[in-house]
Amino acid sequence: QKEVEQDPGPLSVPEGAIVSLNCTYSNSAFQYFMWYRQYSRKGPELLMYTYSSGNKEDGRFTAQVDKSSKYISLFIRDSQPSDSATYLCAMTATDSWGKFQFGAGTQVVVTP
Amino acid sequence: DAGITQSPRHKVTETGTPVTLRCHQTENHRYMYWYRQDPGHGLRLIHYSYGVKDTDKGEVSDGYSVSRSKTEDFLLTLESATSSQTSVYFCATMREGTGELFFGEGSRLTVL
Repeated sequence: QKEVEQDPGPLSVPEGAIVSLNCTYSNSAFQYFMWYRQYSRKGPELLMYTYSSGNKEDGRFTAQVDKSSKYISLFIRDSQPSDSATYLCAMTATDSWGKFQFGAGTQVVVTP
Repeated sequence: DAGITQSPRHKVTETGTPVTLRCHQTENHRYMYWYRQDPGHGLRLIHYSYGVKDTDKGEVSDGYSVSRSKTEDFLLTLESATSSQTSVYFCATMREGTGELFFGEGSRLTVL
């Protein structure tokens, strides 16, 4: 079983809808959680970064971490066609700093 | 943007031939990584480096070797390429203060 599980999608939503993405993980030592966005044929780029539990908001993006459930989420409000991409979660622990575990990525398609 | 350049960007080779992929960075980041990305698997760590001549294995290191003789360059070598190594390879560096990863544009390798 993988340490990080993520539904590959595709997830298709109409423009303006809320996109909800999530990952589950098994290693309770993970403390640093990231979301990366990857456009087709490009390298991933960091979207959101959260340490430990709680919420973090940045514009239309909200990241949530629930360590008790080993579950992280990313919400995209007022989705745009330019949000169409693959979203990957990533995480690491203090005692394995620098070694990141990635989810498989969820493909999101926002239709006009 | 950590100024990461990967070369070659595309390569087609035959089974049994050696292949070297090069990653060059301009930000003087200590940590450098090689990942492979395949459908359904997301990003999987091959090898990483935490300094000149300091390298360690990732989860899919069999059949790969790396070298780092200068801070700015990280080489990935496939000693004898196999069809299972057909993939997209991404180099990344890490900004240590935040854990943010910066990715190159990827190198698409096809082994026939």
